[in-house]
Amino acid sequence: DTEVTQTPKHLVMGMTNKKSLKCEQHMGHRAMYWYKQKAKKPPELMFVYSYEKLSINESVPSRFSPECPNSSLLNLHLHALQPEDSALYLCASSQDADQETQYFGPGTRLLVL
Amino acid sequence: ELKVEQNPLFLSMQEGKNYTIYCNYSTTSDRLYWYRQDPGKSLESLFVLLSNGAVKQEGRLMASLDTKARLSTLHITAAVHDLSATYFCAAMRTGTASKLTFGTGTRLQVTL
Repeated sequence: DTEVTQTPKHLVMGMTNKKSLKCEQHMGHRAMYWYKQKAKKPPELMFVYSYEKLSINESVPSRFSPECPNSSLLNLHLHALQPEDSALYLCASSQDADQETQYFGPGTRLLVL
Repeated sequence: ELKVEQNPLFLSMQEGKNYTIYCNYSTTSDRLYWYRQDPGKSLESLFVLLSNGAVKQEGRLMASLDTKARLSTLHITAAVHDLSATYFCAAMRTGTASKLTFGTGTRLQVTL
């Protein structure tokens, strides 16, 4: 199994809502990532988890809250988002955080109204 | 700060033609990656280049790395329509394990 799965595929939420994005991998990878991608732009790193611990937070606003319940799961909790947060949110995983190739999930397309 | 630039940003080419996408990066990088992204889809890993002079080929795509020039190239041979996509290079700076910096992307359109 070489797949990273993400749910939901699409999400529309208001600025007062609370929602969560989910990511799962069963490749035994120990590093997981959240990226944000705006249209026609490259992905931008948000968070890195290594061995279930947060190792990199790229100065992401606190309205985005990551969580890694176990080595296979990664969540991104969303609260009080702004319209400019609308984007494709990509999850990725790699064997470990030491420069291994990252494999990306299909993404969640988020629209904040 | 590591910066990665690609050119061209947009490339329209006819089927059967050859072309090269260039990726320059600003500081020493341990590894250079190439990814493909179809519209509305996720990123697919194409190549990882580990050392100076590395060359990898898969079908009509060939990637190379020159660490002294801080340059990677993605060469397309005899393009076909199925290669239409956006191609990203990404570099990882020495000492900052797991932090990929992506290039601006090259949108490739192969016309019949």
